[in-house]
Amino acid sequence: SAVISQKPSRDICQRGTSLTIQCQVDSQVTMMFWYRQQPGQSLTLIATANQGSEATYESGFVIDKFPISRPNLTFSTLTVSNMSPEDSSIYLCSVEGGLAGGTYEQYFGPGTRLTVT
Amino acid sequence: GEDVEQSLFLSVREGDSSVINCTYTDSSSTYLYWYKQEPGAGLQLLTYIFSNMDMKQDQRLTVLLNKKDKHLSLRIADTQTGDSAIYFCATRRGGGNKLTFGTGTQLKVEL
Repeated sequence: SAVISQKPSRDICQRGTSLTIQCQVDSQVTMMFWYRQQPGQSLTLIATANQGSEATYESGFVIDKFPISRPNLTFSTLTVSNMSPEDSSIYLCSVEGGLAGGTYEQYFGPGTRLTVT
Repeated sequence: GEDVEQSLFLSVREGDSSVINCTYTDSSSTYLYWYKQEPGAGLQLLTYIFSNMDMKQDQRLTVLLNKKDKHLSLRIADTQTGDSAIYFCATRRGGGNKLTFGTGTQLKVEL
């Protein structure tokens, strides 16, 4: 499977600021996704990052709050904008397809632990 | 809608078998997954099963699927302390990319 890294691994931010999280894969992948894991909760899909076009957002998530970029087949960013304490979560990048592994196999990065004060 | 449920906790003794259960509501689920999350880490894909199968075995792991009852289980044979983690089941519709995750089961392995 692919090696997926995320930066930063953790951060503490003040409310009202924005944080950009990077996801880097060591091989070209077909699909990249961003998930949120709130404290003690399960994972929820935020959006699918599409190369060269706007991300596809799930219900309850909007581009103004979570802008996403995917300039190529190995890299994506997620920005958490105008943060509030409710945004404190672990944000995880996942990848699928291409050289990452089989179709239908989704692999996750180590996550970015965000605390908003 | 899509809903995936798991029991919150399971405690077993080292060397015993662990069985983690999952129920789901979406009858269109085509692929069903088990992930492991250790403290402070991301999710590790353990195994997955296609909905036309009822069993899959991979070393110490056995996945059982009862499609009629929408019930998925993960059996870990000879459970070790290194198996202590949170285990998530997840479902996926055919033709879709989104994984719907369960609430997670915290497995504690005692000596």
